[in-house]
Amino acid sequence: DSGVTQTPKHLITATGQRVTLRCSPRSGDLSVYWYQQSLDQGLQFLIQYYNGEERAKGNILERFSAQQFPDLHSELNLSSLELGDSALYFCASSVGRQGPNSPLHFGNGTRLTVT
Amino acid sequence: AQSVAQPEDQVNVAEGNPLTVKCTYSVSGNPYLFWYVQYPNRGLQFLLKYITGDNLVKGSYGFEAEFNKSQTSFHLKKPSALVSDSALYFCAVRAGYSSASKIIFGSGTRLSIRP
Repeated sequence: DSGVTQTPKHLITATGQRVTLRCSPRSGDLSVYWYQQSLDQGLQFLIQYYNGEERAKGNILERFSAQQFPDLHSELNLSSLELGDSALYFCASSVGRQGPNSPLHFGNGTRLTVT
Repeated sequence: AQSVAQPEDQVNVAEGNPLTVKCTYSVSGNPYLFWYVQYPNRGLQFLLKYITGDNLVKGSYGFEAEFNKSQTSFHLKKPSALVSDSALYFCAVRAGYSSASKIIFGSGTRLSIRP
């Protein structure tokens, strides 16, 4: 068990809808990362937060947004959903203070299916 | 820009034989490299990380990785493969010099160990 909790595990919704994915990092971890994993692709970095502030942005669509709250949990909001948004969405956390060698710890992901 | 490549989509090995999963990287400055494993329907699990000065790094489940600066490689190895090692393996590099930098993942290599 990595200590990173993601909810829900599965989400089925229709095109055009909006969903929110939630992540609770490991206790003590300040950094939260979001990744998208599609069938044909590897892990695509979406966005990273550190102690409530956005630190890095990847190939995140304008329809997607995220935030990290004062209690350090994070939410990824996906709106105007399209069929191509169907994927596994992973959250990962790291301490952030241990330097660039600190590894990421991943949750088990949320599987989003858009129909 | 920092990048990492895994040249093989799939590696097949007989149980008991040694295995190698290849990874090459491109960074400016010191590399911060990691290996992760993903089992079906699970998140990624941290296996090991490169530690500056160590050309052979030991990690979890009997895995090790060989760092070669001249070849810019960080290959994952195990002396004797187990069927339970069958999984998806990702090499990753931190795209910067701080723990706040994003981590970029390779495309993944599917390792299949036959009994």
